Amino acid sequence: SQTIHQWPATLVQPVGSPLSLECTVEGTSNPNLYWYRQAAGRGLQLLFYSVGIGQISSEVPQNLSASRPQDRQFILSSKKLLLSDSGFYLCAWSGTGGEETQYFGPGTRLLVL
Amino acid sequence: GENVEQHPSTLSVQEGDSAVIKCTYSDSASNYFPWYKQELGKGPQLIIDIRSNVGEKKDQRIAVTLNKTAKHFSLHITETQPEDSAVYFCAASIYGNNRLAFGKGNQVVVIP
Repeated sequence: SQTIHQWPATLVQPVGSPLSLECTVEGTSNPNLYWYRQAAGRGLQLLFYSVGIGQISSEVPQNLSASRPQDRQFILSSKKLLLSDSGFYLCAWSGTGGEETQYFGPGTRLLVL
Repeated sequence: GENVEQHPSTLSVQEGDSAVIKCTYSDSASNYFPWYKQELGKGPQLIIDIRSNVGEKKDQRIAVTLNKTAKHFSLHITETQPEDSAVYFCAASIYGNNRLAFGKGNQVVVIP
């Protein structure tokens, strides 16, 4: 069966510091991968998605970036965090070939102080 | 792009009663409609989904209905229990689009 991991689970970072969040998927090949952000009490905002290694689509302009160095690894990064980057970051995967169902990871709670 | 709206934003029900959450979508080409349940501090979990060639789908105490003409779909939870308390998200997508358009979520509170 497929599983999705995210780490760290919780992160407190000062403004201006760098960020690296990691997501890995097990039990599937060539998944589509997604990064979402969820502000407190709000909906899900799609940040990036990837249909393959090195292929990243950005949904919103911001100071975040994403990379996919391996088939089942998706990384969310920032060079300098802003207060507004605080939130709950969720990684998700779906199958290829038009399969729409997305499966979410446990999330990373980021607090920027 | 697709726009999905959920109503009501918060729903309180007595334990044992039924809860209904309704979503509307804008793009008539959408053909896949999942529902997710998110408990506090956790990632959303898929609980049920429906495709446009089906009008209703049931799984134990939950069911989803789809009205393509009116472009809305609903989640029905019967015999609610305290563990049903969570935020529920609906979504819609078009096959091959690789993306889901999510509603803003409904907070469901089951009162014991």
